[in-house]
Amino acid sequence: DTAVSQTPKYLVTQMGNDKSIKCEQNLGHDTMYWYKQDSKKFLKIMFSYNNKELIINETVPNRFSPKSPDKAHLNLHINSLELGDSAVYFCASSQEAPGYRTDTQYFGPGTRLTVL
Amino acid sequence: AQTVTQSQPEMSVQEAETVTLSCTYDTSESDYYLFWYKQPPSRQMILVIRQEAYKQQNATENRFSVNFQKAAKSFSLKISDSQLGDAAMYFCAYRSALAQGGSEKLVFGKGTKLTVNP
Repeated sequence: DTAVSQTPKYLVTQMGNDKSIKCEQNLGHDTMYWYKQDSKKFLKIMFSYNNKELIINETVPNRFSPKSPDKAHLNLHINSLELGDSAVYFCASSQEAPGYRTDTQYFGPGTRLTVL
Repeated sequence: AQTVTQSQPEMSVQEAETVTLSCTYDTSESDYYLFWYKQPPSRQMILVIRQEAYKQQNATENRFSVNFQKAAKSFSLKISDSQLGDAAMYFCAYRSALAQGGSEKLVFGKGTKLTVNP
């Protein structure tokens, strides 16, 4: 069973289009994240959600809008796609509970977005 | 802000030999976690090993071990008896232990590409 899944795995689209990437985790975790890996393989946090509430919102263009319909899902919608948005986008999740020190984040397989 | 530095963009090792990947980090915090993630060509991010800063004992996971030097802010990964399947990008990552409630972001280094030669 896949712990953190993303769809699609590959996405090729034209500049100016709007697209969405979906993420689901079946680990029962409270917190989910989106990371971006650029062409040089550098990974950087974009957003995090805890119990459907936006917590981290790094310096990301407002064309990127995450949405969490429930704790198990965190989707990423991107408007007016630009060439520079081409990257691999990773979803991740982790668990926090009172008195429990969270540490490990579990990653999805990534979505390679190519903007032409 | 915390930073993570991996000074070796590429490393190579002969199969069955040992290799050490370097990682240094900068933080003013005393309580944190450190991780090594492996990213093979399949793109999947796989946790290799983690270390809690308050634990002095170095973490080990089978052929993988770390040398954690808190005062020097160094966290190197040693891979023993290297196998062809170890070939991948390796990322060092930092996470504050103070962060909670969804703010537990990972700060990554730029990665080291490891090649294993048969």
